[in-house]
Amino acid sequence: KAGVTQTPRYLIKTRGQQVTLSCSPISGHRSVSWYQQTPGQGLQFLFEYFSETQRNKGNFPGRFSGRQFSNSRSEMNVSTLELGDSALYLCASSSGTGIRMNTEAFFGQGTRLTVV
Amino acid sequence: AQSVTQLGSHVSVSEGALVLLRCNYSSSVPPYLFWYVQYPNQGLQLLLKYTSAATLVKGINGFEAEFKKSETSFHLTKPSAHMSDAAEYFCAVSDQRQGGKLIFGQGTELSVKP
Repeated sequence: KAGVTQTPRYLIKTRGQQVTLSCSPISGHRSVSWYQQTPGQGLQFLFEYFSETQRNKGNFPGRFSGRQFSNSRSEMNVSTLELGDSALYLCASSSGTGIRMNTEAFFGQGTRLTVV
Repeated sequence: AQSVTQLGSHVSVSEGALVLLRCNYSSSVPPYLFWYVQYPNQGLQLLLKYTSAATLVKGINGFEAEFKKSETSFHLTKPSAHMSDAAEYFCAVSDQRQGGKLIFGQGTELSVKP
């Protein structure tokens, strides 16, 4: 069974540009969550999608957005990039259906975004 | 609001020594708790989870953790450290609202000395 796949693995963007990151969950998983990891702030929750609907959202500005497609693949978009957006962005998928997370979240290897 | 505190951002042990990584949580509802490990340039891998069954949870790679409600703790232990255990370890609690949000601690970097 293939794991969670994130593309691209590495990305360098210029301040002010926008970026789209992609995540393909494990087959059959309908929940996809995104996290930002930085040395200073640690792992912070961005948002979660379940069956194409955003179910939960973290405390990030509106420049951060996401969506989920009918095949459960998800994308996140960051517009008007700032230097502080440089981070490892992790995607996780889960088979959990509705009750709060008590099943394992499987993480991808992440996309390392560098904003210059 | 729920939160997780990991005591000690860096822990160093000798190979063969006991590993103890500390995690305390705050939750107004019965918590679901997780320990994840992250190797350099990798994603997170689940070590073990507590979801209100047995309070002593055994995980992969010889790790285990004990849920202690009275102490609001979920410390991770391994009797004998291996060099391959060197990594960053994260404790997490499931958000009390519906959905798949995990609230993570700040992480503990484990170093293993030969």
